[in-house]
Amino acid sequence: QAGLTQPPSVSKGLRQTATLTCTGNSDNVGNQGAAWLQQHQGHPPKLLSYRNNNRPSRISERFSASRSGSTASLTITGLQPEDEADYYCSAWDARLTAWVFGGGTKLTVL
Amino acid sequence: EVQLVESGGGLVQPGGSLRLSCAASGFTFTNDWMAWVRQAPGKGLQWVASINQDGTGKYYVDSVKGRFTISRDNAKNSLYLQMNSLRAEDTALYYCARDIEPGGQGALVTVSS
Repeated sequence: QAGLTQPPSVSKGLRQTATLTCTGNSDNVGNQGAAWLQQHQGHPPKLLSYRNNNRPSRISERFSASRSGSTASLTITGLQPEDEADYYCSAWDARLTAWVFGGGTKLTVL
Repeated sequence: EVQLVESGGGLVQPGGSLRLSCAASGFTFTNDWMAWVRQAPGKGLQWVASINQDGTGKYYVDSVKGRFTISRDNAKNSLYLQMNSLRAEDTALYYCARDIEPGGQGALVTVSS
């Protein structure tokens, strides 16, 4: 089952804005959107955004998700040291009847 | 507060079996699809299987089809993953997930002789 495409790494400065992308197709991201998860080294992943781009109540407003066609994006404003983590996108593929994940993007905050 | 507590992991020889369990609390279990997501050491996240609310719909990643079985007991708010014919490449931390949202610390499965 083919996965979603994410850049392996992104580096941004403290207090800057990072935009992470996730590219799929019309069967997955383009169909129902993508969820975003954050994972710090040695910790379980945490959901940042549902497929409808809504945030769980516990997630900071600095994190926002959007979609254009078959590409989903996660924008993180006012980057903080604690934002340094791996970020994964995931979408339900209606043709494969399977969840597909991206390979993850390692965000470095300089 | 949503809680998902996995159990049943361990060391097993290739070809062996294990059954993972997940105890769910803090939400209406019968309203949600549930899933298992795994992460091999040093690798990314991989979806393993999903099950719909009443257990009549089950979906699997190709690599586990015919070997793994996902099930749920709505009376016990519990999710299960029966893993048979285990292979070295099944070695991973297995997370129980509400829809696609992992909620616990995971259960470590190591397949090795």
